[in-house]
Amino acid sequence: GAGVSQSPRYKVAKRGQDVALRCDPISGHVSLFWYQQALGQGPEFLTYFQNEAQLDKSGLPSDRFFAERPEGSVSTLKIQRTQQEDSAVYLCASSFFRAAVYEQYFGPGTRLTVT
Amino acid sequence: GIQVEQSPPDLILQEGANSTLRCNFSDSVNNLQWFHQNPWGQLINLFYIPSGTKQNGRLSATTVATERYSLLYISSSQTTDSGVYFCASAGGTSYGKLTFGQGTILTVHP
Repeated sequence: GAGVSQSPRYKVAKRGQDVALRCDPISGHVSLFWYQQALGQGPEFLTYFQNEAQLDKSGLPSDRFFAERPEGSVSTLKIQRTQQEDSAVYLCASSFFRAAVYEQYFGPGTRLTVT
Repeated sequence: GIQVEQSPPDLILQEGANSTLRCNFSDSVNNLQWFHQNPWGQLINLFYIPSGTKQNGRLSATTVATERYSLLYISSSQTTDSGVYFCASAGGTSYGKLTFGQGTILTVHP
């Protein structure tokens, strides 16, 4: 079946612009995660949804970052007033979340460049 | 939170060689995954292995949860194995939030 999809794949924003990144998880997956990957680093957790509820947003770096999943499927990560340090690849992952199994599947990512 | 360390940071091999990548984690885990990140940035699932041993073709993995480490074995390496290998683990939450290591950059020469 279809995997996790993300759009756009590439985004160039001028400093100060707002951006919105979309994630379509695998159908039926309850859990959805956002991660941020800086160049040369491993991905770092941003936020977690179980269905439409945002249960953990401890990794969001500032109040300029906002995520939503209003119907428990598609999710949007929004970054307001982008800064150069926001340049990174933003990865979305989903998981079925059945008991004692937490395997996550990742989308291709959105590469954000802030100029 | 949990900490994950991978070694070696870089590995250069000739095609056909075998290799072992190591992942140490600081606490008990309910999720341990190995990924291969290809040149286009896609994270490809290799193994979901919070404990035990699994094999898939030329790749195999072992996690010894009681000793807090996991190993990824690559046999008869091919140039297409090149890329970054990440270990990621989760513990302390009910939903499997992953903490990634810094990765091992593997280069396989023909």
